[in-house]
Formats: sequence, structure tokens, C-alpha cells
Amino acid sequence: DIQMTQSPSSLSASVGGRVTITCRAGETIRSYLNWYQLKPGKAPKLLIYAASSLKSGVPSRFSGSGSGTDFTLTISNLQPEDFATYYCQQSYNTPWTFGQGTKVE
Amino acid sequence: QVQLQESGPGLVTPSQTLSLTCTVSGGSISRGTYYWSWIRQPAGKGLEWIGRIYSSGSTSYNPSLKSRVTMSVDTSKNQFSLNLGSVTAADTAIYYCARENNWNYPGSYYYFMDVWGKGTTVTVSS
Repeated sequence: DIQMTQSPSSLSASVGGRVTITCRAGETIRSYLNWYQLKPGKAPKLLIYAASSLKSGVPSRFSGSGSGTDFTLTISNLQPEDFATYYCQQSYNTPWTFGQGTKVE
Repeated sequence: QVQLQESGPGLVTPSQTLSLTCTVSGGSISRGTYYWSWIRQPAGKGLEWIGRIYSSGSTSYNPSLKSRVTMSVDTSKNQFSLNLGSVTAADTAIYYCARENNWNYPGSYYYFMDVWGKGTTVTVSS
């Protein structure tokens, strides 16, 4: 299985601020990397697919970058509704695997 | 707009089989080139992909669970299901169903889960 490592595991941020979350794959996964947002009691949301493609309807303050083994999710101008937990996921090889999550508080 | 809803018992006895169903609304489960997936999240832990099924019935399971997992699809009811046998307390989790979509970039297929259910909590306890 491809191991995915996210950092940090949690971070504190303020409304209007900028947040950067890092995801590292245990081997190259080219651009096969997705980002999700999870909130308790709600359906998880896909934010970014193929490392940098923004899902339709997702605010442009979310952006993704990277390829190979190192990836980044950036949230600019953080909004109150962005406080959540974020997960990266590789889709290079099954079984799909996720990072351990980053909680934005 | 496609929506997914998980259903099933919230409490399962150890050694028994956990059975969940995901009902798809707003679109046909057999239309398009989608896979239909199950993912779980134990309390305080990260996400684990359990496996996926195509509308034809073709499946792919996580090797870590493969010996205990069976997935099926009922196109007439627009539903797909998960059976997890011989459960223990370690199988206590929130279980999500999701649609796995794909994007065909020349030479590559990118897979991602673009529609999810809200999840259902399953506790394994006597």
C-alpha cells in the first residue's frame, strides 16, 4: 500500500488568513492526488482532484499543487466555514489510501 | 443532483456480519462510468477505503479486509451494499458510501470520490 503522510496534524488559523497543508506519498504517485474536507455529521466534500484541479463549485480560495511525492493544499482568505479536517488521498494504485488528516481550528 | 444515503443497523454483535446499504437518488447507478465505494472512519482515526463495485458487479477490495468483505449492487433498486463478516470492536466506525468518478486526461484516468453520503455510525458490541 502507498503510505500518505500529512502535516501538520492540526493547526490554528484565523478568518482571513492563509493555510497550507502538506501531503507526502511514500512513493511517486505522479498527479494522482485528491483533497477532501470533512465536517462532523456532514457528507465529506471533494475539493481538489488530480493534484491541482478544482472541483466545480468549490471556492477559488482552495488550491492544490505538487506532483511526484510532495503535494500542498492552500486555503487563502480563510472563511468560517473552512474550519474542518482535510484529507489527502492517492488514486495511483489500489487500495486507495488517505493521509491521517489535518484539523484546521 | 446525485445524493447517497447509507442505511443499516447501528449496533452489530461481535463475530456477526455488518450489513449496510447505500441508496442512490437523483441518478441511475448503472449510468455512466462510475464506481461505487465504501470508506470508513474509526473514531478519532483517519479514513480507510474498504472497496468499490461497478454496476456490472465487478469489485475491488482492500486486501486488509478482503477475506471478510462482500459488495453487491442492485440496479433495480438503485442501491449497492456492503457485508463485512466476523466483526470485532475494531470495526466500529462511521461508514460512508461514495461515488467514484473519473477524469480522462489523455493517457491517464484520474479517479476521485466526488459524491458522498453523510455516513452512518456502526458500533460492534455485545
